Amino acid sequence: DVKVTQSSRYLVKRTGEKVFLECVQDMDHENMFWYRQDPGLGLRLIYFSYDVKMKEKGDIPEGYSVSREKKERFSLILESASTNQTSMYLCASRAYEGWTGELFFGEGSRLTVL
Amino acid sequence: QKEVEQNSGPLSVPEGAIASLNCTYSDRGSQSFFWYRQYSGKSPELIMFIYSNGDKEDGRFTAQLNKASQYVSLLIRDSQPSDSATYLCAPAPVGDTGNQFYFGTGTSLTVIP
Repeated sequence: DVKVTQSSRYLVKRTGEKVFLECVQDMDHENMFWYRQDPGLGLRLIYFSYDVKMKEKGDIPEGYSVSREKKERFSLILESASTNQTSMYLCASRAYEGWTGELFFGEGSRLTVL
Repeated sequence: QKEVEQNSGPLSVPEGAIASLNCTYSDRGSQSFFWYRQYSGKSPELIMFIYSNGDKEDGRFTAQLNKASQYVSLLIRDSQPSDSATYLCAPAPVGDTGNQFYFGTGTSLTVIP
């Protein structure tokens, strides 16, 4: 079975704290993604990576950074958490197969910033 | 960002009825589409992939694609309460979007027993 694992299902942090969300995939996929999901707004792309050390901004990168030092691992970093970053964060991976490759999602990390 | 529009719902249908979920998209270069299902509190899972004009059937699910009208739909026949979920439409990445993978906002479906 394919597997995308997010390190924490639930986190509670305080405003101003640095937050790390970790994601690991075991499918040797080239592409990895971080989304946040909020009611009424759907899935919004924060960042994606198409190779080790390569990244591109999605639609809402402000307040976030990412790191991909190894192919299987993609980390999302909130340098200084704010209350408006309270959300569900979903990691996904995808093989580079042009228009046919599907996204595989992790179980999600629900972050609450107080 | 390429536009992907879905009616947010909620859409309610009685058990056994046909549920029809619609998605329109702005990028004429989009060649194929994914339909994902997301149960409350869970992550999305793939249920259908379609790349040709016309219909594709898989069990109780039928995806329909009309590239000329930039429209893709998902029909669920004999709807069951277990089909109650949010359904997300996503065009496969193409062209200058590289590997960016965008979703519509999703349609919430409730099947009433």
